[in-house]
Amino acid sequence: GNSVTQMEGPVTLSEEAFLTINCTYTATGYPSLFWYVQYPGEGLQLLLKATKADDKGSNKGFEATYRKETTSFHLEKGSVQVSDSAVYFCARTNAGGTSYGKLTFGQGTILTVHP
Amino acid sequence: ETGVTQTPRHLVMGMTNKKSLKCEQHLGHNAMYWYKQSAKKPLELMFVYNFKEQTENNSVPSRFSPECPNSSHLFLHLHTLQPEDSALYLCASSQGRDPYQETQYFGPGTRLLVL
Repeated sequence: GNSVTQMEGPVTLSEEAFLTINCTYTATGYPSLFWYVQYPGEGLQLLLKATKADDKGSNKGFEATYRKETTSFHLEKGSVQVSDSAVYFCARTNAGGTSYGKLTFGQGTILTVHP
Repeated sequence: ETGVTQTPRHLVMGMTNKKSLKCEQHLGHNAMYWYKQSAKKPLELMFVYNFKEQTENNSVPSRFSPECPNSSHLFLHLHTLQPEDSALYLCASSQGRDPYQETQYFGPGTRLLVL
């Protein structure tokens, strides 16, 4: 099937700490992989994406590499800021079948960054 | 500004009311989506429209009725809802050409409370 598993939160860090949020996906087909971010009171925004193995998506200091061998797409940032506090969602596109346009999301990881 | 707007942003309704949620996208996309975001659950895809045709109904109860009059507008008509339907309802759009590669752009959501 098509599923995504994220590390459980919440994650609490101090400003300038290193961030990793783990994400793994089921190895069905050749999905595109995404990280979306949801700031308080807002909808989801695309943070970064990767469409094939070994691609690296990056944006606003965040990075994630599409690892086919480990079926992972972990999100990293070298130095977090208070403004990064949000909920982060890992997602994959479904591969094949009739589920047109269907994104499967992880459960979300709450990140809180303290000054 | 994501190019996808939703109204109203907040809605409180009784179980016997009829109300509608509206979504509009200004991105020239052809595919539009409704998602439900409940507390402590992954995002759930409800409906997908591509070129105004419904391509996915993810086993959604009939008290939710979508309407897509054109590629820019999507409605969700609500009738005799239950308290457990209280959630954030998110609209998204994408180009509609390549479902396994496309980025979906989300609106800010409508926060619905059913009393």
